[in-house]
Amino acid sequence: ELKVEQNPLFLSMQEGKNYTIYCNYSTTSDRLYWYRQDPGKSLESLFVLLSNGAVKQEGRLMASLDTKARLSTLHITAAVHDLSATYFCAVDPSGSARQLTFGSGTQLTVLP
Amino acid sequence: NAGVTQTPKFRILKIGQSMTLQCAQDMNHNYMYWYRQDPGMGLKLIYYSVGAGITDKGEVPNGYNVSRSTTEDFPLRLELAAPSQTSVYFCASSPGIGRSGNTIYFGEGSWLTVV
Repeated sequence: ELKVEQNPLFLSMQEGKNYTIYCNYSTTSDRLYWYRQDPGKSLESLFVLLSNGAVKQEGRLMASLDTKARLSTLHITAAVHDLSATYFCAVDPSGSARQLTFGSGTQLTVLP
Repeated sequence: NAGVTQTPKFRILKIGQSMTLQCAQDMNHNYMYWYRQDPGMGLKLIYYSVGAGITDKGEVPNGYNVSRSTTEDFPLRLELAAPSQTSVYFCASSPGIGRSGNTIYFGEGSWLTVV
């Protein structure tokens, strides 16, 4: 059974600080997704990582994928309050987008 | 820009009742999905479809049924509702297999409570 573990599950950070969210998974996969969810809202796609060593950046967020270590990271640079949300990673071991397995999410709160 | 549209947004069911959650997408996507999200948890796949007439079970299919008669629509049927089916349900769609990666687009969610 594929397991996807995120840590931390809860993260409070000060504005302006940097931090990293980790996503570990238990089986081979070279395709990984990051999503953002605001309270009571749907999921918004942030990044799709397609191969080992893939790195993508959008604003203050940067995601990377190490398929050999079965690890993806979501790095937050100089956090701002608007980044407060829950962040999910999801793994697609088949590479066919048929079945994604989601982590439990990291609830991020950025404090002023 | 409708994207993925789900109805209803909120529903309260009594134990043993049945209902259908509707989902429609206007992006001509081949793949469609139903997920459920329990409080404080990630999403779990209930059923998915790779095209009209083709459906398959996901991780948690028990108590649910689906059909895919058209590319656009993918309804989820709950038979004999149970309290364990209280959850938020998300429908999603994606273009399908492709080298560019498959961004999966989610609907707004349907909040279901079984009492």
